[in-house]
Amino acid sequence: NAGVMQNPRHLVRRRGQEARLRCSPMKGHSHVYWYRQLPEEGLKFMVYLQKENIIDESGMPKERFSAEFPKEGPSILRIQQVVRGDSAAYFCASSPPDYPPYGYTFGSGTRLTVV
Amino acid sequence: GQQLNQSPQSMFIQEGEDVSMNCTSSSIFNTWLWYKQDPGEGPVLLIALYKAGELTSNGRLTAQFGITRKDSFLNISASIPSDVGIYFCAGLRGRVTFGTGTKLQVIP
Repeated sequence: NAGVMQNPRHLVRRRGQEARLRCSPMKGHSHVYWYRQLPEEGLKFMVYLQKENIIDESGMPKERFSAEFPKEGPSILRIQQVVRGDSAAYFCASSPPDYPPYGYTFGSGTRLTVV
Repeated sequence: GQQLNQSPQSMFIQEGEDVSMNCTSSSIFNTWLWYKQDPGEGPVLLIALYKAGELTSNGRLTAQFGITRKDSFLNISASIPSDVGIYFCAGLRGRVTFGTGTKLQVIP
């Protein structure tokens, strides 16, 4: 997992608050993917971004969730008005432009707990 | 949507035993990937398979890309305690879809 940095590692939010999860891809990687993992389940695709572009957001809930990957800075996954069901581990992965997604590299995740 | 089913869901084995797990899909994939996830960490790629029928090894791990392109198998030989974790298969067609996972416990 070295290279893809996610922060915070743990995040606690009260219902109704906003959660912001950050992902800094590996150096030279311009593709970022976000996945959600519920306890005891596999990873579910949420969104695929390149710099300043959302390529595939077919896994994103229609409301309250948004993602961006600006020209400068990390990718951000934002969850507005969090509910208990949003509690999960959120993983980010990155890949270089000429190596999508053959074994892209994952970060260590952000564990969101909504109380 | 695409769905990957892994079996078994979980397994307890004695150290030194061999392990087999498999993954089946309702859809054809062009690439199969096997990942391992340690507790509290993100998945780490173990093996990638690019061609139907392909058999690839990585140390004590061997994986096969099924002929039908709808399944894949992972074998671990002579298991050791650090093999503990959750193993995920993943298929690539456009984007990566993960399986449901096989939780492996190794008894020393």
